[in-house]
Amino acid sequence: DTAVSQTPKYLVTQMGNDKSIKCEQNLGHDTMYWYKQDSKKFLKIMFSYNNKELIINETVPNRFSPKSPDKAHLNLHINSLELGDSAVYFCASSQRLRDEQYFGPGTRLTVT
Amino acid sequence: SQKIEQNSEALNIQEGKTATLTCNYTNYSPAYLQWYRQDPGRGPVFLLLIRENEKEKRKERLKVTFDTTLKQSLFHITASQPADSATYLCALSEANNLFFGTGTRLTVIP
Repeated sequence: DTAVSQTPKYLVTQMGNDKSIKCEQNLGHDTMYWYKQDSKKFLKIMFSYNNKELIINETVPNRFSPKSPDKAHLNLHINSLELGDSAVYFCASSQRLRDEQYFGPGTRLTVT
Repeated sequence: SQKIEQNSEALNIQEGKTATLTCNYTNYSPAYLQWYRQDPGRGPVFLLLIRENEKEKRKERLKVTFDTTLKQSLFHITASQPADSATYLCALSEANNLFFGTGTRLTVIP
């Protein structure tokens, strides 16, 4: 059973489009996260979501918005895609904030 | 400014030797420090967590130390194997967020 899953695995789209990436965890965790890993492999936190409280990294453009329909899902919606948004996006979950995190397989987003 | 630096981008080591990876940080006061392994095309996988009041943690062939005075963590893999080849990431837990280092790509040569 996959603990943290993401769809799609690859996403190729043009500048200006709006796209979503879905994430689901079946671990019963209370906290979920989104990370961006750039071409230099640097992994940076974008959002964390715990008990309906959203913590946003202040450097994330407001074109990015997480949406959580329930505790097991945290989707990432991106408006008006830009070339610089090309990266691998990872979803993760943990039981509580600061606990070890379980990562999904990643979504490679390419904006052309 | 805040920084998390891992000693080198790449480290090559002979099979059977002990690999030692370093994580140094500035302008953080982490409560926890974690180590993850990442293989190409995959998400990071959790390995070990060490708290600020712990000096050392072990798990099988892995050992982590945490020195809050030096602001440094050392990650050791003893009796290294080619299967240990991967990128290893340290991560600091502060203010309910996890901040990752740049990673060290370890290659264990048979």
